[in-house]
Amino acid sequence: DTGVSQNPRHKITKRGQNVTFRCDPISEHNRLYWYRQTLGQGPEFLTYFQNEAQLEKSRLLSDRFSAERPKGSFSTLEIQRTEQGDSAMYLCASSFGSSPGTEAFFGQGTRLTVV
Amino acid sequence: AQSVAQPEDQVNVAEGNPLTVKCTYSVSGNPYLFWYVQYPNRGLQFLLKYITGDNLVKGSYGFEAEFNKSQTSFHLKKPSALVSDSALYFCAVRDLRHNDYKLSFGAGTTVTVRA
Repeated sequence: DTGVSQNPRHKITKRGQNVTFRCDPISEHNRLYWYRQTLGQGPEFLTYFQNEAQLEKSRLLSDRFSAERPKGSFSTLEIQRTEQGDSAMYLCASSFGSSPGTEAFFGQGTRLTVV
Repeated sequence: AQSVAQPEDQVNVAEGNPLTVKCTYSVSGNPYLFWYVQYPNRGLQFLLKYITGDNLVKGSYGFEAEFNKSQTSFHLKKPSALVSDSALYFCAVRDLRHNDYKLSFGAGTTVTVRA
């Protein structure tokens, strides 16, 4: 499968624990995005990378959230001291090229449940 | 700030009838507009996009969408709906003026096509 891959698919964690998600974009895609989706809502932008540089972070992204893309390939999203409000589907997407007109391809997401 | 509105939470049509899913947008510059579809337990799949040129764009699975600048709309259409088109549909926008790569999504419209 050459699509965007996300792991794990599901994660249940206790409140206060740290979690880390991984995203492997489509090969050679230089841009990588993280979104969060809650039930009944559209995906909400969190952050995005161009190669290894993190170019934009949403103001909604608290300091408990951090993302990296160390070599411009895979990316990780870490949530520290999880809260019940962090329960959501976390989506990763990637796109290729320099034009904002290129479409992004999404992974199947990681569903986080904080208990 | 860019935003998208999908005024209908649900659309119900009979198989074989035309399907329309409405979307209006707000950007400070010119928009790049996208439609995605989400099936249960699947990631978002790209359907079509408007970048420039012809206001009527055609996409996957027989879908098309019409860009209307004066009404700031980008409605998704299919002449003859299938039961398999039942899914959650999202409209999204990028703001060309700010060369912005993040997508802003609407809340989604659930389409149900009855046999």
